[in-house]
Amino acid sequence: NAGVTQTPKFQVLKTGQSMTLQCAQDMNHEYMSWYRQDPGMGLRLIHYSVGAGITDQGEVPNGYNVSRSTTEDFPLRLLSAAPSQTSVYFCASSRTSGGLYNEQFFGPGTRLTVL
Amino acid sequence: EDQVTQSPEALRLQEGESSSLNCSYTVSGLRGLFWYRQDPGKGPEFLFTLYSAGEEKEKERLKATLTKKESFLHITAPKPEDSATYLCAVLRRWNSGGSNYKLTFGKGTLLTVNP
Repeated sequence: NAGVTQTPKFQVLKTGQSMTLQCAQDMNHEYMSWYRQDPGMGLRLIHYSVGAGITDQGEVPNGYNVSRSTTEDFPLRLLSAAPSQTSVYFCASSRTSGGLYNEQFFGPGTRLTVL
Repeated sequence: EDQVTQSPEALRLQEGESSSLNCSYTVSGLRGLFWYRQDPGKGPEFLFTLYSAGEEKEKERLKATLTKKESFLHITAPKPEDSATYLCAVLRRWNSGGSNYKLTFGKGTLLTVNP
C-alpha cells in the first residue's frame, strides 16, 4: 500500500492564482480530511469528508473548496490564493470518523508559498 | 472550547536519559487521544490511540498513558533517532447527534536526543 499520497510536494503561487492540491489513499478509508500546519498554531482542520459525495467544513474553510467523487481521491482547491494561505498542507485518512479504527494516517504534505 | 496543551515546548535529553512528555486536555465526550511523531519536512506518523482513563500502550521505547485530564508519553532510554516533534490530539463528537467528529491537535513537543 502506498498509503496517503499528495502532489505536488512544493508549490509557489502568485496572489490571485488558483490551484488544486491532490490527495489519494489506497486503504479504502471512508474518512478523509485536509489540515494546514503553521508555525506556533498546530494542525488545523480545513475540510473533511465522511464518504464519497459527502463533504463538510472544518475550522478554517474560507478560501478553500473540496469535492469527493470517489473513495480514493480528495482534492483541495484554492480559489484565489492569498499570502495568508502560505502554509504546509496535509491530507489524512482513517477507516472511520468516530468509532474504532479512527486513527488518521497522514500524507507527506504540500509546502505552498503565495507571493 | 476544546483545549490541548503540550509541555514542555522543547526538551533536550542525553542518550539514555528517560523522561516524559505531557498532554493536558479539556474536551467533553472524548472519543480518543492520539499520539503522533513528526519528523522535519514530513507528515505526522501515528503512534498510539488511547480511549479511556487508565489505558496504557507501549511501542519500543515509548509508553503512552491516559488519565481523565492528561496523557503522558514516557520515553525510556531514548536514542538520537527518537528526536522528533511529538504531537497529541483529541477526538470528540463535533455536531450534536450527528456522526461528525473533530480532531484537535496540540502544538507539539520538540524532542532532541543528543548522543
